[in-house]
Amino acid sequence: DQQVKQNSPSLSVQEGRISILNCDYTNSMFDYFLWYKKYPAEGPTFLISISSIKDKNEDGRFTVFLNKSAKHLSLHIVPSQPGDSAVYFCAAWIWERGSTLGRLYFGRGTQLTVWP
Amino acid sequence: NAGVMQNPRHLVRRRGQEARLRCSPMKGHSHVYWYRQLPEEGLKFMVYLQKENIIDESGMPKERFSAEFPKEGPSILRIQQVVRGDSAAYFCASSRDRRNEKLFFGSGTQLSVL
Repeated sequence: DQQVKQNSPSLSVQEGRISILNCDYTNSMFDYFLWYKKYPAEGPTFLISISSIKDKNEDGRFTVFLNKSAKHLSLHIVPSQPGDSAVYFCAAWIWERGSTLGRLYFGRGTQLTVWP
Repeated sequence: NAGVMQNPRHLVRRRGQEARLRCSPMKGHSHVYWYRQLPEEGLKFMVYLQKENIIDESGMPKERFSAEFPKEGPSILRIQQVVRGDSAAYFCASSRDRRNEKLFFGSGTQLSVL
């Protein structure tokens, strides 16, 4: 059961243009969302996050948008650079009610290629 | 290097052998998570540990897999009697607090079972 879905396995974008990576989720109890970036032979590194009480968070060239009614979030990278070429994972936290015990679910990832 | 350290980076085992994967969390972090990534898949949660305690092992197979995080030393993920289906990348992550949304990941251990 894939609760966090990234339906596009790959995305190719020209340098300088906008990259938009999409993520859908099924469980309305998810309340914190993150994007991780992963290069080959390395572990995922945190990129940007957003709480469910917000609909936008911006950090330099990276912006994450959250649409709770559609259970959809997206990561915008503008302008895209060749060094952004990596696999991007969407992830979402769900917390047991009244508990500090949570679980972080990951999507399958989208391979972004930025070409010159 | 103050990051999450995993070793070995690559581990080759024959079917039936044991695999031991080690993880040293970031300095000051006492919460460790293990994830597994199969080819073409996302990261799947396996187990969450705090020093000397297993907090949540609901993602770990009931047989052959075990994890520990002793008072001293790294966290260990142990796979007994490995099978080909265990071949995957195993990632460890750590956090400072129990409810800390940002997990910091190590570079992973690539386990190959022949």
